[in-house]
Amino acid sequence: GENVEQHPSTLSVQEGDSAVIKCTYSDSASNYFPWYKQELGKRPQLIIDIRSNVGEKKDQRIAVTLNKTAKHFSLHITETQPEDSAVYFCAATTGANNLFFGTGTRLTVIP
Amino acid sequence: EADIYQTPRYLVIGTGKKITLECSQTMGHDKMYWYQQDPGMELHLIHYSYGVNSTEKGDLSSESTVSRIRTEHFPLTLESARPSHTSQYLCASSESMWGLSYTFGSGTRLTVV
Repeated sequence: GENVEQHPSTLSVQEGDSAVIKCTYSDSASNYFPWYKQELGKRPQLIIDIRSNVGEKKDQRIAVTLNKTAKHFSLHITETQPEDSAVYFCAATTGANNLFFGTGTRLTVIP
Repeated sequence: EADIYQTPRYLVIGTGKKITLECSQTMGHDKMYWYQQDPGMELHLIHYSYGVNSTEKGDLSSESTVSRIRTEHFPLTLESARPSHTSQYLCASSESMWGLSYTFGSGTRLTVV
Protein backbone atom coordinates (compact mmCIF):
# COMPACT_ATOMS: atom_id res chain seq x y z
CA GLY A 1 0.00 0.00 0.00
CA GLU A 2 0.86 3.67 -0.11
CA ASN A 3 3.25 5.18 2.45
CA VAL A 4 3.42 8.95 2.86
CA GLU A 5 6.28 10.54 4.80
CA GLN A 6 6.16 14.17 5.88
CA HIS A 7 8.93 16.49 7.11
CA PRO A 8 9.57 18.36 9.24
CA SER A 9 7.30 17.46 12.15
CA THR A 10 7.64 20.96 13.60
CA LEU A 11 8.57 24.21 11.91
CA SER A 12 8.96 27.69 13.34
CA VAL A 13 9.35 30.75 11.11
CA GLN A 14 9.37 34.49 11.62
CA GLU A 15 6.34 36.35 10.37
CA GLY A 16 6.89 37.33 6.75
CA ASP A 17 9.30 34.48 6.01
CA SER A 18 8.49 31.48 3.83
CA ALA A 19 7.68 27.98 5.04
CA VAL A 20 8.17 24.74 3.13
CA ILE A 21 6.77 21.34 4.08
CA LYS A 22 7.84 18.26 2.15
CA CYS A 23 6.20 14.90 1.56
CA THR A 24 7.24 11.74 -0.24
CA TYR A 25 5.02 8.90 -1.38
CA SER A 26 5.74 5.31 -2.36
CA ASP A 27 2.99 4.30 -4.82
CA SER A 28 3.79 5.55 -8.32
CA ALA A 29 0.09 5.09 -9.18
CA SER A 30 -0.94 7.88 -6.77
CA ASN A 31 -2.36 10.75 -8.76
CA TYR A 32 -4.03 13.13 -6.31
CA PHE A 33 -2.26 15.06 -3.55
CA PRO A 34 -4.28 17.30 -1.20
CA TRP A 35 -3.05 19.41 1.68
CA TYR A 36 -5.09 20.00 4.82
CA LYS A 37 -4.74 22.67 7.49
CA GLN A 38 -5.93 22.01 11.04
CA GLU A 39 -6.06 25.00 13.35
CA LEU A 40 -6.03 24.42 17.09
CA GLY A 41 -9.31 22.87 18.22
CA LYS A 42 -10.75 22.78 14.71
CA ARG A 43 -11.29 20.26 11.94
CA PRO A 44 -8.78 19.61 9.14
CA GLN A 45 -9.74 21.61 6.05
CA LEU A 46 -8.56 21.29 2.48
CA ILE A 47 -6.42 24.26 1.48
CA ILE A 48 -4.95 23.20 -1.85
CA ASP A 49 -4.59 20.09 -3.97
CA ILE A 50 -2.74 18.97 -7.08
CA ARG A 51 -3.24 16.20 -9.59
CA SER A 52 -0.47 14.25 -11.23
CA ASN A 53 -0.89 15.92 -14.62
CA VAL A 54 0.20 19.25 -13.13
CA GLY A 55 3.61 20.20 -11.76
CA GLU A 56 2.67 23.26 -9.74
CA LYS A 57 -0.43 25.01 -8.47
CA LYS A 58 -0.75 28.36 -6.71
CA ASP A 59 -3.46 30.02 -4.68
CA GLN A 60 -2.45 33.42 -3.35
CA ARG A 61 0.29 32.83 -0.75
CA ILE A 62 0.26 29.05 -0.94
CA ALA A 63 1.61 26.81 -3.66
CA VAL A 64 2.15 23.11 -4.11
CA THR A 65 4.76 21.48 -6.34
CA LEU A 66 4.86 17.88 -7.49
CA ASN A 67 7.80 15.86 -8.78
CA LYS A 68 6.38 12.57 -10.06
CA THR A 69 9.76 11.13 -10.96
CA ALA A 70 11.11 11.59 -7.46
CA LYS A 71 7.68 10.93 -5.90
CA HIS A 72 7.65 13.98 -3.73
CA PHE A 73 5.47 17.02 -3.34
CA SER A 74 5.81 20.17 -1.27
CA LEU A 75 3.70 22.93 0.23
CA HIS A 76 5.10 26.45 0.05
CA ILE A 77 3.68 29.31 2.12
CA THR A 78 5.06 32.77 1.39
CA GLU A 79 4.82 35.91 3.53
CA THR A 80 3.69 33.87 6.52
CA GLN A 81 1.25 35.39 8.98
CA PRO A 82 0.32 34.38 12.54
CA GLU A 83 -2.95 32.91 11.25
CA ASP A 84 -0.92 30.41 9.22
CA SER A 85 0.04 28.73 12.52
CA ALA A 86 -1.58 25.29 12.43
CA VAL A 87 -0.92 21.62 11.77
CA TYR A 88 -0.58 20.79 8.08
CA PHE A 89 -1.17 17.32 6.62
CA CYS A 90 -0.23 16.09 3.17
CA ALA A 91 -1.99 13.11 1.62
CA ALA A 92 -1.89 10.91 -1.47
CA THR A 93 -4.24 8.53 -3.23
CA THR A 94 -4.63 6.63 -6.48
CA GLY A 95 -8.33 7.48 -6.42
CA ALA A 96 -9.20 3.81 -6.17
CA ASN A 97 -8.19 3.69 -2.51
CA ASN A 98 -8.47 5.89 0.56
CA LEU A 99 -6.38 8.98 1.22
CA PHE A 100 -3.07 8.16 2.91
CA PHE A 101 -2.05 10.97 5.25
CA GLY A 102 1.38 12.13 6.31
CA THR A 103 2.14 12.44 10.01
CA GLY A 104 1.60 16.21 10.10
CA THR A 105 3.73 19.34 10.50
CA ARG A 106 3.10 21.80 13.30
CA LEU A 107 3.87 25.26 11.88
CA THR A 108 4.37 28.17 14.26
CA VAL A 109 4.64 31.68 12.86
CA ILE A 110 6.39 33.96 15.33
CA PRO A 111 5.12 37.56 15.23
CA GLU B 1 -26.01 24.00 4.97
CA ALA B 2 -24.51 20.79 3.57
CA ASP B 3 -21.89 19.61 6.00
CA ILE B 4 -20.79 16.77 8.25
CA TYR B 5 -21.84 16.87 11.88
CA GLN B 6 -20.46 15.09 14.91
CA THR B 7 -21.99 14.85 18.35
CA PRO B 8 -21.12 15.23 21.10
CA ARG B 9 -18.16 17.62 20.79
CA TYR B 10 -16.87 16.64 24.21
CA LEU B 11 -17.61 13.55 26.29
CA VAL B 12 -16.29 12.46 29.68
CA ILE B 13 -17.37 8.99 30.66
CA GLY B 14 -16.52 6.32 33.20
CA THR B 15 -14.66 3.10 32.48
CA GLY B 16 -16.89 0.25 31.32
CA LYS B 17 -19.64 2.43 29.88
CA LYS B 18 -21.03 1.90 26.40
CA ILE B 19 -20.86 4.95 24.17
CA THR B 20 -21.87 5.89 20.66
CA LEU B 21 -20.29 8.76 18.78
CA GLU B 22 -22.61 10.18 16.17
CA CYS B 23 -21.65 11.29 12.66
CA SER B 24 -24.07 12.52 10.02
CA GLN B 25 -23.51 14.21 6.69
CA THR B 26 -25.96 16.07 4.48
CA MET B 27 -23.80 16.10 1.35
CA GLY B 28 -25.02 12.79 -0.09
CA HIS B 29 -21.51 11.32 0.08
CA ASP B 30 -21.18 7.56 -0.30
CA LYS B 31 -17.83 7.18 1.46
CA MET B 32 -17.38 7.82 5.18
CA TYR B 33 -14.44 7.40 7.53
CA TRP B 34 -13.50 7.45 11.21
CA TYR B 35 -10.09 8.67 12.33
CA GLN B 36 -8.51 8.64 15.76
CA GLN B 37 -6.22 11.60 16.30
CA ASP B 38 -3.46 11.53 18.91
CA PRO B 39 -2.53 14.57 20.93
CA GLY B 40 0.63 14.34 18.85
CA MET B 41 -1.62 15.12 15.84
CA GLU B 42 -1.22 12.01 13.64
CA LEU B 43 -4.44 10.78 11.96
CA HIS B 44 -5.13 7.03 12.26
CA LEU B 45 -7.86 5.46 10.10
CA ILE B 46 -9.93 3.08 12.27
CA HIS B 47 -13.03 2.41 10.12
CA TYR B 48 -14.42 3.26 6.71
CA SER B 49 -17.50 2.61 4.62
CA TYR B 50 -18.06 2.87 0.89
CA GLY B 51 -21.83 2.73 1.15
CA VAL B 52 -24.86 1.36 2.97
CA ASN B 53 -24.18 -2.00 4.65
CA SER B 54 -20.48 -1.73 3.81
CA THR B 55 -17.94 -1.31 6.63
CA GLU B 56 -14.23 -2.09 6.82
CA LYS B 57 -11.55 -1.84 9.48
CA GLY B 58 -8.82 0.68 8.95
CA ASP B 59 -5.09 0.65 9.47
CA LEU B 60 -5.20 1.10 13.24
CA SER B 61 -6.71 -1.71 15.24
CA SER B 62 -9.63 -0.46 17.28
CA GLU B 63 -12.04 -2.04 19.73
CA SER B 64 -14.81 0.14 18.37
CA THR B 65 -17.47 -0.94 15.88
CA VAL B 66 -19.40 0.98 13.23
CA SER B 67 -22.58 0.59 11.26
CA ARG B 68 -23.89 2.11 8.02
CA ILE B 69 -27.61 1.55 7.77
CA ARG B 70 -28.32 4.89 6.11
CA THR B 71 -26.12 6.80 3.67
CA GLU B 72 -25.99 9.88 5.84
CA HIS B 73 -25.28 8.22 9.18
CA PHE B 74 -22.09 6.47 10.35
CA PRO B 75 -22.05 6.00 14.14
CA LEU B 76 -19.10 4.58 16.08
CA THR B 77 -19.70 2.49 19.20
CA LEU B 78 -17.47 1.45 22.07
CA GLU B 79 -19.09 -1.38 24.03
CA SER B 80 -16.92 -0.90 27.12
CA ALA B 81 -14.90 2.31 27.31
CA ARG B 82 -11.39 2.24 28.77
CA PRO B 83 -8.91 5.02 29.58
CA SER B 84 -6.85 3.92 26.55
CA HIS B 85 -9.78 5.03 24.36
CA THR B 86 -9.24 8.63 25.42
CA SER B 87 -8.61 10.53 22.19
CA GLN B 88 -10.10 12.81 19.56
CA TYR B 89 -12.32 11.03 17.02
CA LEU B 90 -12.82 12.64 13.61
CA CYS B 91 -15.44 11.60 11.08
CA ALA B 92 -15.01 12.40 7.37
CA SER B 93 -16.83 11.81 4.10
CA SER B 94 -16.16 11.97 0.36
CA GLU B 95 -17.99 11.42 -2.90
CA SER B 96 -17.67 8.17 -4.78
CA MET B 97 -16.88 9.37 -8.27
CA TRP B 98 -14.78 12.50 -7.96
CA GLY B 99 -14.56 12.60 -4.21
CA LEU B 100 -10.88 12.27 -3.72
CA SER B 101 -10.90 15.02 -1.11
CA TYR B 102 -12.39 14.54 2.34
CA THR B 103 -14.68 16.80 4.35
CA PHE B 104 -14.06 16.40 8.08
CA GLY B 105 -16.43 16.84 10.99
CA SER B 106 -15.46 18.95 13.99
CA GLY B 107 -14.60 15.89 16.04
CA THR B 108 -15.52 14.36 19.38
CA ARG B 109 -13.00 14.65 22.18
CA LEU B 110 -13.52 11.58 24.36
CA THR B 111 -12.11 11.24 27.87
CA VAL B 112 -12.55 7.97 29.73
CA VAL B 113 -11.92 8.21 33.45
